[in-house]
Amino acid sequence: QSVLTQPPSVSGAPGQRVTISCTGSNSNIGAGYPVHWYQQLPGAAPKLVIYDDTNRPSGVPDRFSGSKSGSSASLAITGLQAEDEADYYCQSFDSSLSYVFGSGTTVTVL
Amino acid sequence: EVQLVESGGGLVKPGGSLRLSCAASGFTINKYTMNWVRQAPGKGLEWVSSIDSSGNYINYADSLKGRFTISKDNAKNSVYLQMNSLTAEDTAVYYCARKIPIAVAGAGDYWGQGTLVTVSS
Repeated sequence: QSVLTQPPSVSGAPGQRVTISCTGSNSNIGAGYPVHWYQQLPGAAPKLVIYDDTNRPSGVPDRFSGSKSGSSASLAITGLQAEDEADYYCQSFDSSLSYVFGSGTTVTVL
Repeated sequence: EVQLVESGGGLVKPGGSLRLSCAASGFTINKYTMNWVRQAPGKGLEWVSSIDSSGNYINYADSLKGRFTISKDNAKNSVYLQMNSLTAEDTAVYYCARKIPIAVAGAGDYWGQGTLVTVSS
């Protein structure tokens, strides 16, 4: 049972915009801890795509953006491409002094 | 180039022990917090343990109940995870990750390729 809740799957046609939600609680996201997002391609290690709610690491396309409000956060992918098909995980920190992850969302490009 | 290479995974019987290693290159671990994160087959990511740059601040997931021990050797630029009293629920790919240095509580900006631990009789 993951601490952060994500939808199991989202899908979109190439070029479309998809969003992935990440819902936490007052002990993690709602407590002000930032949210980070990871992309995991099949059979590969996770890759950081957004850190501290809205920041993109060098080399990550600007099609990826993050936002946060209250106890929830979102990852948006605009101009969806076939290479974006992957699992995406949100991650934050909890007042129990644990890193916490979301349940994961599979993005399918139709 | 930053690289993390895990090793030490394999097949172990229930109740057995295993020691995982994570060799870092391209940076020195004595300046970074390092994390272990695992992923059971077909499941999501689960944080396991952290060790800070000094080695003085160590933390574990509550679910481990004291069975795992994280350590590091700055001279070898390596981090370790000693796992004892293993059960089938510990079967997973174990990743080593460098905590995001410029972020607040970010689990990893660089990740290893992972090492598979299978607990089965």
